[in-house]
Amino acid sequence: GENVEQHPSTLSVQEGDSAVIKCTYSDSASNYFPWYKQELGKGPQLIIDIRSNVGEKKDQRIAVTLNKTAKHFSLHITETQPEDSAVYFCATHNFNKFYFGSGTKLNVKP
Amino acid sequence: NAGVTQTPKFQVLKTGQSMTLQCAQDMNHEYMSWYRQDPGMGLRLIHYSVGAGITDQGEVPNGYNVSRSTTEDFPLRLLSAAPSQTSVYFCASSYSTEGAYGYTFGSGTRLTVV
Repeated sequence: GENVEQHPSTLSVQEGDSAVIKCTYSDSASNYFPWYKQELGKGPQLIIDIRSNVGEKKDQRIAVTLNKTAKHFSLHITETQPEDSAVYFCATHNFNKFYFGSGTKLNVKP
Repeated sequence: NAGVTQTPKFQVLKTGQSMTLQCAQDMNHEYMSWYRQDPGMGLRLIHYSVGAGITDQGEVPNGYNVSRSTTEDFPLRLLSAAPSQTSVYFCASSYSTEGAYGYTFGSGTRLTVV
């Protein structure tokens, strides 16, 4: 089955700095790569996604890049704000199933 | 439009007890699923359903049963709870039949088995 590895497990940045979270996966059949943000006590919420025929996607301060050859994808958050503090999960999807990374706890210091 | 609703929010069980975690969605989504979330392990798929009457196993199905008699409801049953099933459980649904797009999570059920 699929194996998704996510790094780093914790990330602390100063407000206004950029944050980058990276994921690798093993199954070349994976074709959809979403990122989720989970705030304390809540369920994960989709923040951005990318499909296998696209290399990069941007939505305001958030961007995702995908390298299918190397089987890795990354989340980039620019101009971080304290409200970006949360746990972020990457995921892959194939054959009716999602596989999640282990999560990155992002702390944005004011 | 409530989205995905999970009940209860918290539950404490004794080892060997049974219970059902409820999940309901009002978005007419065909695809529904259950995950457990444990510290440092992300979310792991327990069972999923691509439509009423159809269910299948995920990564960690042992100790859990599901059924899907309606489009709206997808209950998760623990027949004989064990301490290893202490976790936070999330239900999620999707408008795409293969379960990829528009994935919406409920707010979770925190289960403790003592």
